[in-house]
Amino acid sequence: EVQLVESGGGLVQPGGSLRLSCAASGFTFSNYAMSWVRQAPGKGLEWVSAITGSGGGTYYTDSLEGRITISRDPSKNTLYLEMNSLRAEDTAVYYCAKHGTGWYGLVYWGQGTLVIVSS
Amino acid sequence: EIVLTQSPATLSLSPGERATLSCRASQSVNSYLAWYQQRPGQAPRLLIYDASNRATGIPARFSGSGSGTDFTLTISSLEPEDFAVYYCQQRSNWPLTFGGGTKVEIK
Repeated sequence: EVQLVESGGGLVQPGGSLRLSCAASGFTFSNYAMSWVRQAPGKGLEWVSAITGSGGGTYYTDSLEGRITISRDPSKNTLYLEMNSLRAEDTAVYYCAKHGTGWYGLVYWGQGTLVIVSS
Repeated sequence: EIVLTQSPATLSLSPGERATLSCRASQSVNSYLAWYQQRPGQAPRLLIYDASNRATGIPARFSGSGSGTDFTLTISSLEPEDFAVYYCQQRSNWPLTFGGGTKVEIK
């Protein structure tokens, strides 16, 4: 059974940094691309970043590029999202999700981790 | 960036009725469009990928159609558990983008 478990969210001050983690199990981690998607309170879904199975390709939403870094550790079956210079508008639930073969869709999702940016 | 516009924003229907949701892209995404369902307090669930392919375990009452810039998600007969928010998402170009969502509510 595929499981994705996010962690690392919490309360952070504006301008601060945070690293989110997503522990994956139930599939061959290095074979699949992964994404981070966020959802601000009461709002819709926003794709944030993606990484290829090998880790050699990374992609970012334009509005966050330069402030975030996606990475993965195949030895730990874990996906990461480093976020810097956090702003109030970055407050959201952050989901990690597993793509299907060939990026065809976000097939499996974690339950999300809440990031609150506030002083 | 490809903008996806979903309509209507809210759809008020009764159980057993047919639901038709629309997603329009600002430029062609070929058939690289997916649909997701999100129930309150839950993570999204993939329903349809590449415009018309049902994901594993998705009931046959869900169907997708379209190509290019205009897409439709149809729920043939609404079950109580289908009242939720639905999002489309394109994978034709980076960055990936989602539509703003359509809420299907009980009339």
